[in-house]
Amino acid sequence: RKEVEQDPGPFNVPEGATVAFNCTYSNSASQSFFWYRQDCRKEPKLLMSVYSSGNEDGRFTAQLNRASQYISLLIRDSKLSDSATYLCVVKGEYGNKLVFGAGTILRVKS
Amino acid sequence: EAEVAQSPRYKITEKSQAVAFWCDPISGHATLYWYRQILGQGPELLVQFQDESVVDDSQLPKDRFSAERLKGVDSTLKIQPAELGDSAMYLCASSRPYRDRPTGELFFGEGSRLTVL
Repeated sequence: RKEVEQDPGPFNVPEGATVAFNCTYSNSASQSFFWYRQDCRKEPKLLMSVYSSGNEDGRFTAQLNRASQYISLLIRDSKLSDSATYLCVVKGEYGNKLVFGAGTILRVKS
Repeated sequence: EAEVAQSPRYKITEKSQAVAFWCDPISGHATLYWYRQILGQGPELLVQFQDESVVDDSQLPKDRFSAERLKGVDSTLKIQPAELGDSAMYLCASSRPYRDRPTGELFFGEGSRLTVL
């Protein structure tokens, strides 16, 4: 079983739609969780951290469910510029090792 | 343009040849990572340095890959001999000093895309 699993998509949504991605992780001792965004042929960049209480940044909301070992990302009012691959990232119990999921592709269409 | 510098951006080589990638992290970032990203997959950690010391190289194919960060600043990743399956993007990243309890934010370079023929 992979440490971090994501639905690869692609998710094809119209502008203005709400879309949600889930990600599951296998190591129950994982301490920190993040969503990164990667544009086509570009490097990954941090989108947001995921806190136990859930957190929101504008149109983006991240949730963590430790009991079920999954995290989610909700994007409201999708924009064309949101089209990208969204990588779920989990940091282990020790050290700074970040484990990346394979990513979920989002395509927002006009 | 990414603040982490990598070179070359693109490299085409024949199998069995040697290839090397260079990375210069953000100034003051003690932790440096080399990731490999195969098309359609997420980045996979190859090696992690804390200053000049390797802290994780469990996924580095040591029979053909080597990495060094001699002075704790810039780093080189070498592949010898290259194989067809090594075709991928090699991403270097850095993060803030560990003592500052990093947030998990990695700053990636633009990557070095390797094609092995």
